[in-house]
Amino acid sequence: AQSVSQHNHHVILSEAASLELGCNYSYGGTVNLFWYVQYPGQHLQLLLKYFSGDPLVKGIKGFEAEFIKSKFSFNLRKPSVQWSDTAEYFCAVTPMDSSYKLIFGSGTRLLVRP
Amino acid sequence: GAVVSQHPSWVICKSGTSVKIECRSLDFQATTMFWYRQFPKQSLMLMATSNEGSKATYEQGVEKDKFLINHASLTLSTLTVTSAHPEDSSFYICSATRLAEGTDTQYFGPGTRLTVL
Repeated sequence: AQSVSQHNHHVILSEAASLELGCNYSYGGTVNLFWYVQYPGQHLQLLLKYFSGDPLVKGIKGFEAEFIKSKFSFNLRKPSVQWSDTAEYFCAVTPMDSSYKLIFGSGTRLLVRP
Repeated sequence: GAVVSQHPSWVICKSGTSVKIECRSLDFQATTMFWYRQFPKQSLMLMATSNEGSKATYEQGVEKDKFLINHASLTLSTLTVTSAHPEDSSFYICSATRLAEGTDTQYFGPGTRLTVL
């Protein structure tokens, strides 16, 4: 079955630290890839997405992600986190033959200490 | 743009009653709307996919007679939890894809918290 794995369930960082959140998926075909963020008390917002082209994708708020096809990975990075980045981050994929169905990872809760 | 709203934001009901949750795309026409369920500290699980004017497609294990979905227009989908029980208590989230965009980027609503007593 298709699945998405986020290996870090909880991450605690100090401000200005660098961030990398792992995401791996299991599917042999073509996929679209997404990172969503859910700030406390708010709804899911799209951070960035990859459909094709340059595997290094830049999103909002200084986030970027790199698609490595050989590793089935789509890790999220930010060089310097801020307290306001405290949120839950979800990786998601849409297999191209799935009629737009998003498969979500279990999420990573990030706490940034001021 | 691409704002999705849900109503109500929270609801408490007695066991055995039915609850209707609305999902609206406020500033765009939605090709497809999706309904998810999120348990505490867990990820979103897709319940069903609906297209305007056609029957919803339910995921395996989701009871279609219990979770009735009506997609009346390109801007409105409703989820009715029928004969609700405490185990139906959860956070229900809808999303929509934008007709004009032609991609599978989903825009999410703020969610509805259902508590069944």
